Amino acid sequence: EPEVTQTPSHQVTQMGQEVILRCVPISNHLYFYWYRQILGQKVEFLVSFYNNEISEKSEIFDDQFSVERPDGSNFTLKIRSTKLEDSAMYFCASGTGPTYEQYFGPGTRLTVT
Amino acid sequence: EDQVTQSPEALRLQEGESSSLNCSYTVSGLRGLFWYRQDPGKGPEFLFTLYSAGEEKEKERLKATLTKKESFLHITAPKPEDSATYLCAVRISSGGSNYKLTFGKGTLLTVNP
Repeated sequence: EPEVTQTPSHQVTQMGQEVILRCVPISNHLYFYWYRQILGQKVEFLVSFYNNEISEKSEIFDDQFSVERPDGSNFTLKIRSTKLEDSAMYFCASGTGPTYEQYFGPGTRLTVT
Repeated sequence: EDQVTQSPEALRLQEGESSSLNCSYTVSGLRGLFWYRQDPGKGPEFLFTLYSAGEEKEKERLKATLTKKESFLHITAPKPEDSATYLCAVRISSGGSNYKLTFGKGTLLTVNP
């Protein structure tokens, strides 16, 4: 069964450093998403991406964040200058259409020290 | 103001003891209600999508229902492997928001053998 994959599973970085989180969505999906979950809190939406552009973003997704689909299979989230409060589990998701279910990857645990 | 409220926060059942989890929502323009299962340290696993009041979906021991104000996830004769956090999420179409899922805090279900 096709699934969303994410790498790395755990990333430790120092405050102020740049990180890139990588995702491979399910191959026939056209809609891509990033969410995050701070320990013990709700899953929060960050951004959605379709047709090579951002279709919606949350207030969390400020100028420090960017997304890219560099090729036909990968989808990345970049945080330019990490802060302590960026420590969270980051989930990539993909779907076939805007009204249909989203399938989540296993997540990348980002720890900012 | 929470748009999605799940109750109870935690539920402990004996194996075989059926029960229901609740998800109430205070949004207009609902374009889908989604149930996910999340195991510790993992990504949300899709279970069901419900689009209109009166709709029901079933999968093994789980049955999801939807009214105009809430959804229930009924668990019949649960087993220990059903232990997980169950997440409810809504998608709305309002004010430029068409893609994101808004999650509740989840119900932590523990099924004892």
